[in-house]
Amino acid sequence: ETGVTQSPTHLIKTRGQQVTLRCSSQSGHNTVSWYQQALGQGPQFIFQYYREEENGRGNFPPRFSGLQFPNYSSELNVNALELDDSALYLCASSVGLGAQTYGYTFGSGTRLTVV
Amino acid sequence: GENVEQHPSTLSVQEGDSAVIKCTYSDSASNYFPWYKQELGKRPQLIIDIRSNVGEKKDQRIAVTLNKTAKHFSLHITETQPEDSAVYFCAAPRSAGSARQLTFGSGTQLTVLP
Repeated sequence: ETGVTQSPTHLIKTRGQQVTLRCSSQSGHNTVSWYQQALGQGPQFIFQYYREEENGRGNFPPRFSGLQFPNYSSELNVNALELDDSALYLCASSVGLGAQTYGYTFGSGTRLTVV
Repeated sequence: GENVEQHPSTLSVQEGDSAVIKCTYSDSASNYFPWYKQELGKRPQLIIDIRSNVGEKKDQRIAVTLNKTAKHFSLHITETQPEDSAVYFCAAPRSAGSARQLTFGSGTQLTVLP
């Protein structure tokens, strides 16, 4: 196993609902990045958290929000779900930032289906 | 921000042949280029990466080459095996200083025919 765990593995929600996805980073990793991977596409960067602060955000609306906790685990929250939010949500943990980053390990992802 | 283009979108090769996947990037300041392999229903796995201070890196049957002038990098797989069949993604930093905030290519479905 990679040491990065995500929960739940699968989730079905109704349009308009809210969802929270969770990611436990690999031991010793203090940075968590979230990606959305739609079917047949490459992962799209949502945002990154470093030491509990947001450190960079991709082209996603404010209804996508996140948190990082003191133990470096992280949550991704999505409000007012839309059908297009159906995707595989991946988190990746690493140590440090920028050129000083070490390790970059993806979790197995959460498959979200919005109906 | 960075724009990464990847081709081909699909690639079929005979077992034992070589496979080459190419990517171009737009930001000349990008300095880190990883390649990921994703099998159906599984997470992306890093298979090789290269930094901009070298032109080539090799790990057994896998190699990556980088041409900074032309802003493109390529994945080379030699002596392909059926277990190499997967989707391969290239990536580059979203912006300078964000080495691990990645912009991914659209992927290449590689099929190795026995």
